[in-house]
Amino acid sequence: QKEVEQNSGPLSVPEGAIASLNCTYSDRGSQSFFWYRQYSGKSPELIMFIYSNGDKEDGRFTAQLNKASQYVSLLIRDSQPSDSATYLCAVNSYGGSQGNLIFGKGTKLSVKP
Amino acid sequence: DAGITQSPRYKITETGRQVTLMCHQTWSHSYMFWYRQDLGHGLRLIYYSAAADITDKGEVPDGYVVSRSKTENFPLTLESATRSQTSVYFCASSDQRGDNEQFFGPGTRLTVL
Repeated sequence: QKEVEQNSGPLSVPEGAIASLNCTYSDRGSQSFFWYRQYSGKSPELIMFIYSNGDKEDGRFTAQLNKASQYVSLLIRDSQPSDSATYLCAVNSYGGSQGNLIFGKGTKLSVKP
Repeated sequence: DAGITQSPRYKITETGRQVTLMCHQTWSHSYMFWYRQDLGHGLRLIYYSAAADITDKGEVPDGYVVSRSKTENFPLTLESATRSQTSVYFCASSDQRGDNEQFFGPGTRLTVL
């Protein structure tokens, strides 16, 4: 069974700090990695994707990928209370005749004012 | 408005009844997906579709039926609802590939009494 693992949290950080969210995956063949944000009672929304080893920055968000270690992370700089949400890591995987995304269970982030 | 919509947003039904959840997208995306989200399990794939008239099982298909006669619609039917099917159901769509970024509908909260 291919898996994506995340710490469930909650991860609590003070406003203005860096929040670091981590994800590991089991399928060495995975090539695409996504971070979704899900506010309570809402649907997941895509915030970042990364395909290559290294860092990818988008505003206050940085995704980091290390395929050798099968590890992907999301850094949120200058965290704001509005960043409080559950963050889902998703990884592509192939099973049967089609590729799909496998989602982690999510890490709940709480940013304290 | 363009996007992906689900109906109904909330549904209460009784054990043994048939229930159909609707999903409609206006992007002409090839791929569509149905997930359920439960505490402790995260997002689990029920069924997906690569194109009209092409559907395939996901991780938890038992008790569910799907069809896709038109590209834009992907209804999910619970043939005989059980209490274990109480959940939040999300429809998603993706362009070109099943393992590409997916865009989610607002969700349907289903309660089976």
